[in-house]
Amino acid sequence: SYELTQPPSVSVSPGQTARITCSGDALPKQFTYWYQQKPGQAPVLVMYKDSARPSGVPDRFSGSTSGTTATLTVSGVQAEDEADYYCQSADRSGTYVVFGSGTKVTVL
Amino acid sequence: EVQLVQSGAEMKKPGESLKISCKASGYSFISNWIGWVRQMPGKGLEWMGVIYPGDSDTRYRPSFQGQVTLSVDKSLRTAYLQWSSLKASDTAIYYCASPIDYSTSSSLDGFDIWGQGTLVTVSS
Repeated sequence: SYELTQPPSVSVSPGQTARITCSGDALPKQFTYWYQQKPGQAPVLVMYKDSARPSGVPDRFSGSTSGTTATLTVSGVQAEDEADYYCQSADRSGTYVVFGSGTKVTVL
Repeated sequence: EVQLVQSGAEMKKPGESLKISCKASGYSFISNWIGWVRQMPGKGLEWMGVIYPGDSDTRYRPSFQGQVTLSVDKSLRTAYLQWSSLKASDTAIYYCASPIDYSTSSSLDGFDIWGQGTLVTVSS
């Protein structure tokens, strides 16, 4: 079955830039979505259709896709950005959706 | 206000059946896919499937096909996730979610509205 691969963890100091990657063979063909999830809360959409930012999401969040890798970038990281981040996309044939394994972002 | 409100926590025994609900308000229920996402304790998100309330078109992730049933009641603006025989491994938080503001009307869309989650515990 189709899988999206994310690094388990990323650590970053406040004010620095965090880059979270998501790799999958079908990413050149399918949109990528990104979610932020804090403990005990439902996920929140922070990026859609690869690089579009939903209303209300700070502009320090940006997204991009190059080949088989999608990247969520958080510039000028703040303490409140500490959370788990998940990418989401579809298999090559567009039959079903998968989430990445998740990346825990720690703000040092 | 656009929201999805889920039914409360459930504690069940293996082999029992269960149906949990997700009530939608504030948007056109029949025109937006509703999906279900599983999160097992301490684990990541898993996309289970989606249903289109307008015609009950349903798409399942292969690993969940035959294990659960998605349904809707248009008159109640409510979506359901159902098990006929629970296992201990079904213990998880289940979220309903829907693509509203950023929908492309595709079953593959990401979700911008989420319910609060329903904790299902299956234990003998």
